[in-house]
Amino acid sequence: GAGVSQTPSNKVTEKGKYVELRCDPISGHTALYWYRQSLGQGPEFLIYFQGTGAADDSGLPNDRFFAVRPEGSVSTLKIQRTERGDSAVYLCASSLTGGFNEQFFGPGTRLTVL
Amino acid sequence: DAKTTQPPSMDCAEGRAANLPCNHSTISGNEYVYWYRQIHSQGPQYIIHGLKNNETNEMASLIITEDRKSSTLILPHATLRDTAVYYCIVWNSGTYKYIFGTGTRLKVLA
Repeated sequence: GAGVSQTPSNKVTEKGKYVELRCDPISGHTALYWYRQSLGQGPEFLIYFQGTGAADDSGLPNDRFFAVRPEGSVSTLKIQRTERGDSAVYLCASSLTGGFNEQFFGPGTRLTVL
Repeated sequence: DAKTTQPPSMDCAEGRAANLPCNHSTISGNEYVYWYRQIHSQGPQYIIHGLKNNETNEMASLIITEDRKSSTLILPHATLRDTAVYYCIVWNSGTYKYIFGTGTRLKVLA
């Protein structure tokens, strides 16, 4: 079956610009997670959705980062006024109900801020 | 969240068992041990998880010590396709999120 998909696979932008990264979770999965991975590091948690609501956004680094999941399926991570330090791979994962269920990860979006 | 410690890298000969250790000495009684791996340029992939009993599935075995302060992931017959970064994660139901360390980079040698 279809896994988690993320678009675009690569995004190059200039410092100060606004970007949106999209995640399509596995159909029927109520839990959705965003992580960020810098080179040579493990993924770092950003935000967790249960349905339409953000159950835990404690990992968002600052108020330039925002994520939505308006219908409880597709999610968009939005970054305003991008900085060079935002360059990383942004990973999305979904799981059936959260909790003990394994998380299925997408291939990620590689964001490069010039 | 409990911190995990893993060796940064390991080599294993193809066809041999790969034994990847993880220390989690501050683990609490209700925290699970999860293992994921990440093949280059892909998202992490679930391997196995356990609480206190040893677990086995089609991919691997997980051995957790009796005091639960450490565990070992065993790939019984490593292949070249098992070359990846392996992450040991301690998870509890109160947080839902994974806290990844830097993992172990396993290289399977022909």
